[in-house]
Amino acid sequence: EAQVTQNPRYLITVTGKKLTVTCSQNMNHEYMSWYRQDPGLGLRQIYYSMNVEVTDKGDVPEGYKVSRKEKRNFPLILESPSPNQTSLYFCASSPRQYNSPLHFGNGTRLTVT
Amino acid sequence: KQEVTQIPAALSVPEGENLVLNCSFTDSAIYNLQWFRQDPGKGLTSLLLIQSSQREQTSGRLNASLDKSSGRSTLYIAASQPGDSATYLCAVLGGSEKLVFGKGTKLTVNP
Repeated sequence: EAQVTQNPRYLITVTGKKLTVTCSQNMNHEYMSWYRQDPGLGLRQIYYSMNVEVTDKGDVPEGYKVSRKEKRNFPLILESPSPNQTSLYFCASSPRQYNSPLHFGNGTRLTVT
Repeated sequence: KQEVTQIPAALSVPEGENLVLNCSFTDSAIYNLQWFRQDPGKGLTSLLLIQSSQREQTSGRLNASLDKSSGRSTLYIAASQPGDSATYLCAVLGGSEKLVFGKGTKLTVNP
């Protein structure tokens, strides 16, 4: 089944403890991206990647890192999480950036205490 | 900076009604606009994608239009059903290559 898989679905952690949220797609898509969704603020783009080894900042990249070493994987890294990074995170992919619909994962709900 | 606005924030209609959801954006230099559906606790599902050169796209009971010059898009849902209840979001891919979302319209279709 074609899908975008995020893990974990739920994560509770403490301030400062490094964590990684994984994202994997099995559709051979070139474009992948990360978003956070917060009440009242909607969905905001964190980082995106047009292809392997190519990443760019979205609107809210501060406090996050990403890497794209393989086409299928696009992990989101929080080196030192803070409570303001408590949010619902989504990963998405598409064949190309400019003319293809996005496929979303089911989300990761992160709580930082 | 691109801003995307969706009005109304919430809409409640009886089953069978035709309805229109609105999306407006401030910068008309866009590559495309997408409409998504989000169900509670789930990810987003892409409904329709309109390229900047297109005026509309249709899928089943859904029709999306795009007027770049006025910075507006509408999503028309025909003969609404309770299963259409969800939050509908529009997103614009602009010249900055960043994808900007509206805050969504929460639709409730009452049986």
